[in-house]
Amino acid sequence: QQQVKQSPQSLIVQKGGISIINCAYENTAFDYFPWYQQFPGKGPALLIAIRPDVSEKKEGRFTISFNKSAKQFSLHIMDSQPGDSATYFCAANSGNTPLVFGKGTRLSVIA
Amino acid sequence: DSGVTQTPKHLITATGQRVTLRCSPRSGDLSVYWYQQSLDQGLQFLIQYYNGEERAKGNILERFSAQQFPDLHSELNLSSLELGDSALYFCASSRAGQRNQPQHFGDGTRLSIL
Repeated sequence: QQQVKQSPQSLIVQKGGISIINCAYENTAFDYFPWYQQFPGKGPALLIAIRPDVSEKKEGRFTISFNKSAKQFSLHIMDSQPGDSATYFCAANSGNTPLVFGKGTRLSVIA
Repeated sequence: DSGVTQTPKHLITATGQRVTLRCSPRSGDLSVYWYQQSLDQGLQFLIQYYNGEERAKGNILERFSAQQFPDLHSELNLSSLELGDSALYFCASSRAGQRNQPQHFGDGTRLSIL
């Protein structure tokens, strides 16, 4: 019940394309869903987060889509750039549970 | 720059030894979290401290312990080290005690056990 399943494990996207990473969760008590971006040698950096009272949140080229009934959420990166090449982690928790991370998606954006 | 500072960046030691990892949270943050990142297990929550008190425990081994000091910095102590303890150890901080708030990560300490 504490797992967050993330897919795909790796993703190659052309520059200017859309990158899509999906996550699914089981625990219906989860009410906070952040995405983190991690570059080699660095810690995870908070990218964008959503709570279940909205179905979509957009910040610049990054959008989270949230489907409460399906218990799924996804990250869309529009106009993907080589600088977006990194590992992306979805996560989820509630006020009383620790942050549970997906296994990560390694994104490569090629010119 | 997240504002969370971790030292040292790298640590190389031998089996059976003891090490201390240090974390300074972002200014104003009262909660500190410790995570372990390994290739096979991903990011795993170890322990949370809030304003000096232990708030939550995750998959933390008995050989590991942590504390948060009055100035809010935290230390993670790892003892009787085994080869399998080689990993990246991250500290994160957040404003309050509730865990469903933004957590900001440091750049980690890479621990290598020889």
